[in-house]
Amino acid sequence: GAVVSQHPSRVICKSGTSVKIECRSLDFQATTMFWYRQFPKQSLMLMATSNEGSKATYEQGVEKDKFLINHASLTLSTLTVTSAHPEDSSFYICSAPRGLGEAFFGQGTRLTVV
Amino acid sequence: GENVEQHPSTLSVQEGDSAVIKCTYSDSASNYFPWYKQELGKRPQLIIDIRSNVGEKKDQRIAVTLNKTAKHFSLHITETQPEDSAVYFCAASIRGGATNKLIFGTGTLLAVQP
Repeated sequence: GAVVSQHPSRVICKSGTSVKIECRSLDFQATTMFWYRQFPKQSLMLMATSNEGSKATYEQGVEKDKFLINHASLTLSTLTVTSAHPEDSSFYICSAPRGLGEAFFGQGTRLTVV
Repeated sequence: GENVEQHPSTLSVQEGDSAVIKCTYSDSASNYFPWYKQELGKRPQLIIDIRSNVGEKKDQRIAVTLNKTAKHFSLHITETQPEDSAVYFCAASIRGGATNKLIFGTGTLLAVQP
C-alpha cells in the first residue's frame, strides 16, 4: 500500500512555543491531505483539509490562527501548532487519500505541552 | 452537520466467537465506507472497505455489509482471535470540495478473551 510518513512521532514543548509537524506522501502525490486530532480513548476528529497550492479548509470550531497548515508541494503538508498550551496536548495524525478515496495515515505525533 | 454513529463502544467476546459492529451515517451522498483497526498509540490501518454500489464484501474472516436505504453498515469478524483486540473505527465519505473527506465513528474497543 501507499506510504505516508509523519514526523516527529513524539514531541514535548514548553507552553507558549510553536511546534511543526510534517506529513509526507512517499510514493504518490497528494493534492489533498487531512489533519486529525485524537484524544485518549476517543475518535479521530477532522481538523482541516490541506490543499496543495491553496488555503486549507478548517472544520467548524478549529482555530485557523492556532493551527497553521501549509501544503507547499504535492508530497508535503505541515501543521504548526502555534503558542501551544497544555490543552493542545493530543495525538495529531495526518492522512492522504489516493485513488478512489482510500486514506493512508501517517504514524501520528504525540504532542505534550508542559 | 454530517455525523457517523457507531455501536457498541465496547465489545468483549470469547476467542472463536463472532463480533459485529454497527454504524449509521447521515449524509445520503456518502458512497465510500472504510473500516479501520487501531492499536494503542499507532496509526489506523484499513482492514476492509465497501462502496455504495455493492451490498456486501468479504475478506477471509472479515465482512462488511451496507444498507443504503437505511444508511447503515456493519463489520463482521468471525472466528475472533486475541490479536483482533483493538479499537475499530468506521468512516463514511463526505463531499468536501475536490476530494471527499472521511468522517469517523466514535470507535469500538474490541476485547477478545482467550
